[in-house]
Amino acid sequence: AQRVTQPEKLLSVFKGAPVELKCNYSYSGSPELFWYVQYSRQRLQLLLRHISRESIKGFTADLNKGETSFHLKKPFAQEEDSAMYYCALRGNSGNTPLVFGKGTRLSVIA
Amino acid sequence: EAQVTQNPRYLITVTGKKLTVTCSQNMNHEYMSWYRQDPGLGLRQIYYSMNVEVTDKGDVPEGYKVSRKEKRNFPLILESPSPNQTSLYFCASSRTGVSYGYTFGSGTRLTVV
Repeated sequence: AQRVTQPEKLLSVFKGAPVELKCNYSYSGSPELFWYVQYSRQRLQLLLRHISRESIKGFTADLNKGETSFHLKKPFAQEEDSAMYYCALRGNSGNTPLVFGKGTRLSVIA
Repeated sequence: EAQVTQNPRYLITVTGKKLTVTCSQNMNHEYMSWYRQDPGLGLRQIYYSMNVEVTDKGDVPEGYKVSRKEKRNFPLILESPSPNQTSLYFCASSRTGVSYGYTFGSGTRLTVV
């Protein structure tokens, strides 16, 4: 079964401090992993895909298959990063649904 | 503009009165899905559809129906809404293939009294 765990419901950091949002997953095959962001009163937006190995808005995430993790990191938090962040997993068998974690609310304090 | 459009954005209704939330996408995506978002529970999938006339239950399908008669539309039907269906609903679509993320609609905030 596919499962995504985000252990922190709320993470508060000061502006300029490093940020790490944790995500662990459970899946027997090779998953595709994503991070979505939801700013206040807005729709969910795709932030990162692990397959792209990209950096968006200063965020990066590395897939660690040994630890089954896909933590989201940013070296210096900005106030505009305050939002809800969801980690999501999609299995590699073709048309499997996207499974979301319960989300972590990031609050960046000025 | 490529997008997923949901209507209405806000809806207040009474228990038992049938309602439909519409979802339409203009990206020719094969895959569409409905989620509900509740505090502390995150996003839970209600139903999904891999293509026209193909629908499957998600994690929380009870009390909901869907149909996929056309590729672009995927309405969510509540035949007899109850207060525990008060939630924020999101429609999403995607191309098939595991590398594609979802494009989400703006959400529908439903209150059942």
